[in-house]
Order: sequence, then structure tokens, then C-alpha cells
Amino acid sequence: KNQVEQSPQSLIILEGKNCTLQCNYTVSPFSNLRWYKQDTGRGPVSLTIMTFSENTKSNGRYTATLDADTKQSSLHITASQLSDSASYICVVRGYGQNFVFGPGTRLSVLP
Amino acid sequence: DVKVTQSSRYLVKRTGEKVFLECVQDMDHENMFWYRQDPGLGLRLIYFSYDVKMKEKGDIPEGYSVSREKKERFSLILESASTNQTSMYLCASSSRENREQYFGPGTRLTVT
Repeated sequence: KNQVEQSPQSLIILEGKNCTLQCNYTVSPFSNLRWYKQDTGRGPVSLTIMTFSENTKSNGRYTATLDADTKQSSLHITASQLSDSASYICVVRGYGQNFVFGPGTRLSVLP
Repeated sequence: DVKVTQSSRYLVKRTGEKVFLECVQDMDHENMFWYRQDPGLGLRLIYFSYDVKMKEKGDIPEGYSVSREKKERFSLILESASTNQTSMYLCASSSRENREQYFGPGTRLTVT
């Protein structure tokens, strides 16, 4: 069964610190993986999208990595800001398939 | 910029009422999707449509129906709302290549 797992479920860090969120998936055959940021009460907004041949992609302070062999991805946030407080969702799509969503990691950045 | 709009941000309905949730996208996307999002479960696909008047069941279609009479508009219908349909409903659209989905702001539906 195609699944996407994320860890940790929730995370609290202090402003200015770095953090890394994890995503493991079993979707096959793999097409692409994207990370979304979802503010409370809002729809998800795309941060990065990665295909099979890409193993690192950055978007400002956000850097996503992908290891297609181990079926793992991570999202690294550098120098966190209060506005980074949100849920981060990992989404994987297989060829000819719909999107499979992870449950999300809830990040809280404290001053 | 892609824009996906949903008719209501918050909605409160009574058990047994018929509920319509509307979604409009302005990017001429072929594909449109309806999801519900519940704590700890992530987004679950209810229905999707890849063309006007076409619809496909997602993972949890029971208790829902959809309508797509125009390319830019995709409606989710709860024929007889029940309390277990209290949730956040998210609409999304994507181009035919389906590379990336763009989401609306969501409708938080409460059924009492």
C-alpha cells in the first residue's frame, strides 16, 4: 500500500535555531515529492518539488533532500523565524497515480 | 499567480441538511480535487475530476457527490450532512500533467 510517514509528529524550537523534518514513503513507481507549508486555518502552499534525479533543492531558508534509493526525504529549515510555525506536509506522487499525503509535522517556533 | 477560491471559510450546518461547497480556479486547469483534512490523518481524497462533467471517486467518497459543469468550478455536495463530516475541506487544482497541486484556503465545516 502506498504510504507516506513523517516524523516527528510535532516539534518545538527556539527562534533562530535550525531543524530537520523527515519523510519516508513507500509509493512506487516514484514520480515526484513535494513539501508543503500549511499555516493554521489555511490551505497548503508548495515549498519545493523534487523528481527522481534531484537530491537537493533549496527555497530560501528551506532545503529539501531526497534519497530515492532509501525512499527518504528531509526538509531542513535554517535560522528559524516565528513565521515558520506551521504544519509541514510531505506529498509523494507515483506515475499515473494520485498524490499520497503524509500526516504532517507541526512545527512551533518560540521567541 | 494561480488562484483557487472556496465559497466559504467557515460553515455551520445541522445534521440532515444538504450542503454545497464551491471551488473556483482561474488557471484553466484540467484537474480539480476535493480533500478533507482531519487531525493526525492528513489529507484524504474524496473526489477528483480531470475534465468537465468527468468525476472519479477518491479514497473516501461515501456520503459525498460532486459536480463539474464548467472547467473552472468544482462543487462538493453533502446530500445529508452528518456530524462525522465535520472537517476542514480543501479544494485543489492542477494542470493536465498533474505535476503540482494548488490549494484553496479551505472551508471549515461544522455539522451539529
